[in-house]
Amino acid sequence: QKEVEQDPGPLSVPEGAIVSLNCTYSNSAFQYFMWYRQYSRKGPELLMYTYSSGNKEDGRFTAQVDKSSKYISLFIRDSQPSDSATYLCAMSANQAGTALIFGKGTTLSVSS
Amino acid sequence: EAGVAQSPRYKIIEKRQSVAFWCNPISGHATLYWYQQILGQGPKLLIQFQNNGVVDDSQLPKDRFSAERLKGVDSTLKIQPAKLEDSAVYLCASIRGRGDSPLHFGNGTRLTVT
Repeated sequence: QKEVEQDPGPLSVPEGAIVSLNCTYSNSAFQYFMWYRQYSRKGPELLMYTYSSGNKEDGRFTAQVDKSSKYISLFIRDSQPSDSATYLCAMSANQAGTALIFGKGTTLSVSS
Repeated sequence: EAGVAQSPRYKIIEKRQSVAFWCNPISGHATLYWYQQILGQGPKLLIQFQNNGVVDDSQLPKDRFSAERLKGVDSTLKIQPAKLEDSAVYLCASIRGRGDSPLHFGNGTRLTVT
């Protein structure tokens, strides 16, 4: 079993849809959870960062962490064509900058 | 604030040739990482530097890969000799301190080995 599992998609939705992206993990030591967005031919950029369990909201984006189920989610409300990208979950047992383990990424396409 | 700079952006070489990539992190960022991202996969850590010292190189294939950060600023990653399976995007990232967040990534060097 891989440490971090993420469905690669692709996921195609119409503009305005609510998008749900998910990752599962096996290492119970993970405490720091991140979502990165990666546009084609660009480096990943941090979208959301959460520590331990709970929810975090930032504009149209909501990140959820359920450590008991070893499951994290990213919700995108009112999706826009500009949200079309690959979304990578990442996690770490240590502080956020060290030893990140990434999922494979989910490719999202939002059509207008 | 200027971002993480990487060059070249693209490189095509034949197997068994050598290649080098360069990274200049954000000014003042002490920690530098090299990640390998194979098509369809997430980035995988190759090596982590703290200033000019290696913190973690456990996943670096040391028989063919080498990296240095001599003055604690910019860094080079070298592959010699290259194999077909080295075709990937090589991403450089940096953070100010060892436990600081977030990681700032460059746009990577896309390597194709033929």
